[in-house]
Amino acid sequence: DTGVSQDPRHKITKRGQNVTFRCDPISEHNRLYWYRQTLGQGPEFLTYFQNEAQLEKSRLLSDRFSAERPKGSFSTLEIQRTEQGDSAMYLCASSLMNGQGYTGELFFGEGSRLTVL
Amino acid sequence: DQQVKQNSPSLSVQEGRISILNCDYTNSMFDYFLWYKKYPAEGPTFLISISSIKDKNEDGRFTVFLNKSAKHLSLHIVPSQPGDSAVYFCAPGSSNTGKLIFGQGTTLQVKP
Repeated sequence: DTGVSQDPRHKITKRGQNVTFRCDPISEHNRLYWYRQTLGQGPEFLTYFQNEAQLEKSRLLSDRFSAERPKGSFSTLEIQRTEQGDSAMYLCASSLMNGQGYTGELFFGEGSRLTVL
Repeated sequence: DQQVKQNSPSLSVQEGRISILNCDYTNSMFDYFLWYKKYPAEGPTFLISISSIKDKNEDGRFTVFLNKSAKHLSLHIVPSQPGDSAVYFCAPGSSNTGKLIFGQGTTLQVKP
């Protein structure tokens, strides 16, 4: 399977614990995006990378959230001192931005569901 | 500040009829407009897109219409099939960042 993969698919944690999610994008894709989706809402943009550079962060991304893409391939999203309000589906997406045949499509993974007790 | 609105949370249509899903946006900087489909416990999957230089794009049973002056787009599915039952998200974006802004979604149910 050469699509976007996310790990773990499900995470249950206690309030105050740290959690980390990993995303492996489609191999040739240079852009990587993190979104968060809560029940009944559409995905909300969190941050994105072009190669290893983090180019934009949403104001939704509080100081407890940090994302990295150290070698321009996989990415991690860490949440420190989790709160119940962090419970959501965390979605990763990737795309190839090379100016050719652009359709706007982001390729999404299946998501990592976080439950904070 | 909600830049993208899908005002109908749900829509129910009979198999074989047309489904029309609507979306309104406020940001004039959007230059690409996408529709995604989502099943429970899966990530969104791309359905169809249109650039701001066009007003219609068709792909099989799916057609997207863009009215830039009204800042409105719609997705037409004809004929609708039970397998089309899912949540549909409108997602405009900027070709500069590639970032998409999603609406709240419309749950489509196609009845056999």
